[in-house]
Amino acid sequence: AQTVTQSQPEMSVQEAETVTLSCTYDTSESDYYLFWYKQPPSRQMILVIRQEAYKQQNATENRFSVNFQKAAKSFSLKISDSQLGDAAMYFCAYRSHNNNDMRFGAGTRLTVKP
Amino acid sequence: DVKVTQSSRYLVKRTGEKVFLECVQDMDHENMFWYRQDPGLGLRLIYFSYDVKMKEKGDIPEGYSVSREKKERFSLILESASTNQTSMYLCASSPWTSGRGADTQYFGPGTRLTVL
Repeated sequence: AQTVTQSQPEMSVQEAETVTLSCTYDTSESDYYLFWYKQPPSRQMILVIRQEAYKQQNATENRFSVNFQKAAKSFSLKISDSQLGDAAMYFCAYRSHNNNDMRFGAGTRLTVKP
Repeated sequence: DVKVTQSSRYLVKRTGEKVFLECVQDMDHENMFWYRQDPGLGLRLIYFSYDVKMKEKGDIPEGYSVSREKKERFSLILESASTNQTSMYLCASSPWTSGRGADTQYFGPGTRLTVL
């Protein structure tokens, strides 16, 4: 079974600085999807960014970008110019091309300091 | 925008009670999911459904059942609630993308269930 590991339970960043959240996963498959979800305090979980494994180019969404290293099975999230509203739990997730279900990491709680 | 709603944000029940958690999505998605979220464990899949009246067990189905009588509604049932089922329950839905499987999941706001 696929597993997703987020080795940083908590991270903090100064406002306007850059922070990188780590994620590694274990799979024997070659075709899959990777996601970063954000869960603000007491608010709904929302998708931040997604990456398709067959695409070599790293996905970007405004201030959010990923470093996808397929051979290393690593999928880190970089947040540039951090804002107070970025404070949240961030979950890394994996989904196989062939399956409906998604595997989540344990999450990283990001604090943004003013 | 996709909207996924859950019947309650907070729920307090007693041990042994039968508990119903309801989830409704308004985007005609084929797939619906129930997760529980616990600190340090992330989200764990309880059940999912890819069509009306269809269901598949996830990683932790014990003590739970589900019902999907209509496409937009997916219910999670705790037949006899126990204290170890105290948790945050998240519902999600996703469309079926032809040729590429299920796409991104959209989440409801969650139900924080406390079993006393």
